Amino acid sequence: GAVVSQHPSWVICKSGTSVKIECRSLDFQATTMFWYRQFPKQSLMLMATSNEGSKATYEQGVEKDKFLINHASLTLSTLTVTSAHPEDSSFYICSARELAGDSYNEQFFGPGTRLTVL
Amino acid sequence: QKEVEQDPGPLSVPEGAIVSLNCTYSNSAFQYFMWYRQYSRKGPELLMYTYSSGNKEDGRFTAQVDKSSKYISLFIRDSQPSDSATYLCAMGGSEKLVFGKGTKLTVNP
Repeated sequence: GAVVSQHPSWVICKSGTSVKIECRSLDFQATTMFWYRQFPKQSLMLMATSNEGSKATYEQGVEKDKFLINHASLTLSTLTVTSAHPEDSSFYICSARELAGDSYNEQFFGPGTRLTVL
Repeated sequence: QKEVEQDPGPLSVPEGAIVSLNCTYSNSAFQYFMWYRQYSRKGPELLMYTYSSGNKEDGRFTAQVDKSSKYISLFIRDSQPSDSATYLCAMGGSEKLVFGKGTKLTVNP
C-alpha cells in the first residue's frame, strides 16, 4: 500500500524557535497533502490543504503566518511552525492523496510528529 | 451542533465480544464515510470506506451507513486484544474529511 513518512517523529524545542516537519509520499505522487493537528484525547483537526505548486488553503482559525506550508514537489510537503510556543505542543499528522477530482481518493496518513515546546 | 459526533468512551470488552461503534453527523452533503484505527502515538490507518447507505463487510469488520438517520456504525466480531486502539469515524466529500473524536477500545484477554 501507499506509504507516507514524516520526519522527525518527535521534536522538543525551546519557545520562540521554529520547527520544520517534513511529509513525504514514498511510492506515489501526491497532488494534495493535508496537515492535521491532534491534541490528547481529541480528534484530528484539519489545519490546511496543500496542492502541489500552489498556496495552501488554511482552515478557519489557523494562522497562515505561523504555520507555513510548502508543497514544492509531488512527494514532499513541509510544515514550519514559526516562533513556537508551549500551546503549539501537539501531535501533527500529514496525509497525502494521489488524485483530485470528483471521486474519493483515499488519504494515506503519516505516522505523525510529536512536537513539545518548552 | 458539531458536524460529527462520536462517543469517546472508553469502551472495554472481553475478548470475543462483538463491539459496536457509532457516529452521527449533521451535514447531509457528506458522501464518503470511513473508519480509521489509530494506535497510540501513530497515524490513523483506514479500516473501512463506503459511499452509500447499507452494509459493507470485510473479515471481522462490518460498516453500516444510514444516510436517512445520518448515522454510521462499525461492528467488530470476535474482538481480539490486538483490536485495542482508538477508532475514528471520518466523513466528507471529494476534498476534506471531518473526523469524530474517536472511541478508545480495549479488548481484554
